[in-house]
Amino acid sequence: NAGVTQTPKFQVLKTGQSMTLQCAQDMNHEYMSWYRQDPGMGLRLIHYSVGAGITDQGEVPNGYNVSRSTTEDFPLRLLSAAPSQTSVYFCASSYPKGDGYTFGSGTRLTVV
Amino acid sequence: SQQGEEDPQALSIQEGENATMNCSYKTSINNLQWYRQNSGRGLVHLILIRSNEREKHSGRLRVTLDTSKKSSSLLITASRAADTASYFCATDRAGTYKYIFGTGTRLKVLA
Repeated sequence: NAGVTQTPKFQVLKTGQSMTLQCAQDMNHEYMSWYRQDPGMGLRLIHYSVGAGITDQGEVPNGYNVSRSTTEDFPLRLLSAAPSQTSVYFCASSYPKGDGYTFGSGTRLTVV
Repeated sequence: SQQGEEDPQALSIQEGENATMNCSYKTSINNLQWYRQNSGRGLVHLILIRSNEREKHSGRLRVTLDTSKKSSSLLITASRAADTASYFCATDRAGTYKYIFGTGTRLKVLA
């Protein structure tokens, strides 16, 4: 079991560029979420999914898109990168009503 | 806005002492979870307590939940230097599947 795999681990983007952060899990978890972590702000929920084909917005969804075509994958797309999106991004997954999320190791994104 | 707020923001103790951190939240919940994050790493799930439970133990961890006060506490007994990390609570608003995290408590255990 690889758990939750995030790629890339590091990325530098120029303002206005787009990119996709990848997240894959091999635990057959139905729930998946994307969070961003900024210094002193804790984790903020961007988007989440309760199963394939079902997604919903979190606390800070603007500037991000998601889709969930399979149970395993939950990519996060940045449409037009802005310096305010410089952050560490975490993907997490869990069973419904299960005993907590399993987190990936994060993607550190810098937008210049 | 944050659903959970941890208190204190930072805590420094000697090895062997107990560490207590608190979490307050705003709305009704299904359950509350505690996570640990070592510097530069992902979060690790520690313990989940459901809204109909008042106390739960796991090894050196003890979690309490008071739904009337919308608060929870995490007690780490006989702390070790390896417990140095940030600790976060996360709550799901009742009726939703959103897990919202607090801002965390930074714990430093001095050897």
